[in-house]
Amino acid sequence: DQQVKQNSPSLSVQEGRISILNCDYTNSMFDYFLWYKKYPAEGPTFLISISSIKDKNEDGRFTVFLNKSAKHLSLHIVPSQPGDSAVYFCAGSSNTGKLIFGQGTTLQVKP
Amino acid sequence: KAGVTQTPRYLIKTRGQQVTLSCSPISGHRSVSWYQQTPGQGLQFLFEYFSETQRNKGNFPGRFSGRQFSNSRSEMNVSTLELGDSALYLCASGQAWGAQETQYFGPGTRLLVL
Repeated sequence: DQQVKQNSPSLSVQEGRISILNCDYTNSMFDYFLWYKKYPAEGPTFLISISSIKDKNEDGRFTVFLNKSAKHLSLHIVPSQPGDSAVYFCAGSSNTGKLIFGQGTTLQVKP
Repeated sequence: KAGVTQTPRYLIKTRGQQVTLSCSPISGHRSVSWYQQTPGQGLQFLFEYFSETQRNKGNFPGRFSGRQFSNSRSEMNVSTLELGDSALYLCASGQAWGAQETQYFGPGTRLLVL
């Protein structure tokens, strides 16, 4: 039972354009969502999070949108930069603090 | 403030051996979680410790165990290693335990079982 799904294994965008990474979840108990960025052979780096009581959170070039009724969240990166090329994971957590991760989306930003 | 540190970074073991991995959380953080990352299964939760007590456990066999010390440092042990245990083991720390807590990851320990 995959509670968090990232249906696009990969995404390629041009430098300066918007990157939109999507994530769907099935567990209604999730009340906190996080996005992490990961380079090969390194640990995930925290990017941005959103509480279930909000529908949008913004931090610099990164914005996360949450649609609770659709059980869908997305990460927008504007403008995209070549250094953003990495694997992006979304994760959900409930009151236990345990993170459930999606399978990841590989983003490639072309110069 | 220093980040999460994990030792060793790389490890090669043979089947049947056991291994102990160490994690030092960010200063002031009291929660430590462990995750396993493999190409086929992605990032999977192993267990979480807070105040030296295991608060949550994932769906892994009893060969996987852990503990947390009074200084919040944590160790993970895998006994009777199997080839399928080859993975990147990640430790994450958080200030507290429970709802809406952001976890920060260390660089991981790459374990190869031959």
